[in-house]
Amino acid sequence: AQTVTQSQPEMSVQEAETVTLSCTYDTSENNYYLFWYKQPPSRQMILVIRQEAYKQQNATENRFSVNFQKAAKSFSLKISDSQLGDTAMYFCAFMGVSGGSNYKLTFGKGTLLTVNP
Amino acid sequence: GAVVSQHPSRVICKSGTSVKIECRSLDFQATTMFWYRQFPKKSLMLMATSNEGSKATYEQGVEKDKFLINHASLTLSTLTVTSAHPEDSSFYICSASGLAGVQETQYFGPGTRLLVL
Repeated sequence: AQTVTQSQPEMSVQEAETVTLSCTYDTSENNYYLFWYKQPPSRQMILVIRQEAYKQQNATENRFSVNFQKAAKSFSLKISDSQLGDTAMYFCAFMGVSGGSNYKLTFGKGTLLTVNP
Repeated sequence: GAVVSQHPSRVICKSGTSVKIECRSLDFQATTMFWYRQFPKKSLMLMATSNEGSKATYEQGVEKDKFLINHASLTLSTLTVTSAHPEDSSFYICSASGLAGVQETQYFGPGTRLLVL
């Protein structure tokens, strides 16, 4: 079974600064996807970024980028120029795509990020 | 694109009654829908996976007779909590995948807060 570990329950950052959220995972699969979702106080889950394991290039999405280290099974999220609206719970998630996985997501426990003015 | 709705957003019911929650993909055909449960300040726990026109696959420990799932069309899945009890009070979230034939990304509904008195 896959596991996803987020070792930082809470983090804070000043507005306009950069912050990195950590995520490690454990799997025996070779083909999979990794995601970061954010859940603001409204509790709506929002996709932040997605990474295919077979791609060496790190995914980027505007101010959000990842550092994907496949050998180390590490998938950290960097938020640049932090904004107040980035305040949310951030979940790292793993999806195996081998036969029988049915594209299920396994979530980490989350990191609560607070952006301070 | 990729909008998923849930109805109702919140519901209060008496113990012993049944409650139905609807999940709709508004602008794409969802070949697979997922149902999650989330306790306060906790991560998402997958309850079941449903594919259109077939029986849902439940995760270990989830009572299929308690949580009835129907995926009657490519845009609608329902979760019925039967004979609800206070311990069923929780935040229920659905997600859908299949946008443009892509199974690897799930889009989430806004969630339903259930309170059983």
